[in-house]
Amino acid sequence: NAGVTQTPKFQVLKTGQSMTLQCAQDMNHEYMSWYRQDPGMGLRLIHYSVGAGITDQGEVPNGYNVSRSTTEDFPLRLLSAAPSQTSVYFCASTPNVWDNTNTGELFFGEGSRLTVL
Amino acid sequence: GENVEQHPSTLSVQEGDSAVIKCTYSDSASNYFPWYKQELGKRPQLIIDIRSNVGEKKDQRIAVTLNKTAKHFSLHITETQPEDSAVYFCAASIRHGGSQGNLIFGKGTKLSVKP
Repeated sequence: NAGVTQTPKFQVLKTGQSMTLQCAQDMNHEYMSWYRQDPGMGLRLIHYSVGAGITDQGEVPNGYNVSRSTTEDFPLRLLSAAPSQTSVYFCASTPNVWDNTNTGELFFGEGSRLTVL
Repeated sequence: GENVEQHPSTLSVQEGDSAVIKCTYSDSASNYFPWYKQELGKRPQLIIDIRSNVGEKKDQRIAVTLNKTAKHFSLHITETQPEDSAVYFCAASIRHGGSQGNLIFGKGTKLSVKP
């Protein structure tokens, strides 16, 4: 299994441009999510999905859109990039929403470093 | 909103010493508390986790303790080694919308182990 695959690894955008960060997992995980990581801020949840066709907002959703048409893919779209969106983005998945019997481990992709000028 | 506070933000220890990182959480419904290790330029990886029905869990040199009444949990690393140097994140599960699967992360602790 490849696990969680993110593309691209690096991207530079100009303010106002749009782009999509791709995320795919081959573990048949129901739950997928996007986090952004900024220095001194930890990991903050942007959007998440508990299954195909279902998405919801996390802590910092403004400026981002997501969709989940298949179990495998969970792309993150920046509609009009701003310098405040300069960050490292991580996609993560887990087999199921947690209950008392599930491991709950989040499997992270390698990250995508985005710079908005 | 819900949050997780993590202390200290940086920690420097001598090789062989112990290291302790502490976290507090705000959501009384949180029931899952993982710890992740992130090496420079790499992805976060789970090192240990604990559920609310357990007070302590050990795995070789690392252990986690949980006090649900006080809403805090801690990571303990004994006999530290230079390869333990990394950023460590605590997290707590929260219920959001229809999912009980989301995690809120602390801001991280940069641990440096000096040879």
